Amino acid sequence: GNSVTQMEGPVTLSEEAFLTINCTYTATGYPSLFWYVQYPGEGLQLLLKATKADDKGSNKGFEATYRKETTSFHLEKGSVQVSDSAVYFCALYFGNEKLTFGTGTRLTIIP
Amino acid sequence: SQTIHQWPATLVQPVGSPLSLECTVEGTSNPNLYWYRQAAGRGLQLLFYSVGIGQISSEVPQNLSASRPQDRQFILSSKKLLLSDSGFYLCAWSVQRSGQETQYFGPGTRLLVL
Repeated sequence: GNSVTQMEGPVTLSEEAFLTINCTYTATGYPSLFWYVQYPGEGLQLLLKATKADDKGSNKGFEATYRKETTSFHLEKGSVQVSDSAVYFCALYFGNEKLTFGTGTRLTIIP
Repeated sequence: SQTIHQWPATLVQPVGSPLSLECTVEGTSNPNLYWYRQAAGRGLQLLFYSVGIGQISSEVPQNLSASRPQDRQFILSSKKLLLSDSGFYLCAWSVQRSGQETQYFGPGTRLLVL
């Protein structure tokens, strides 16, 4: 079946550090891929997405590239801020009306 | 624009009591609707999803049930709560069968069963 594996957290970085959160997937075919973010006490918000191989999703300084050859969709940001502290979820969609989520990675940014 | 509402925001209930959480969507018709649970420190677990009025698919056998009495209303219920039902419950919607797979989440209901 379809599955998503995310980097184990928690991740703690200093402000302005470079961020990478790894995400790999298993799917029979070519799913759409997503990153969602959950700020403390809130629901999930879509951060970015990519629907086909080599697409790059970007938003709020975050980027992720759909890599078919490595079945990956790693999230990156060049310079993180304290306001980026949140839980980040990688997810895939494969035409069955349902998203498959990873377990989430908690990110804490220290001033 | 579309909005999704959930209530209550927070709920503390005794073990064995009933539960009713409500989710409504505005600004769209015939959405797919979803209920997720997020236990403390854990990922998202899909509980139920619905592609139309009265059509409910259950992902995990459990103490909960869901109903969709109206197109844009999705209700999560229990007859008798268990301690293990504590968690953060999220409702979400998506556009049905359009290739737009993005799901939009509500603010969530935090449930504590004591």
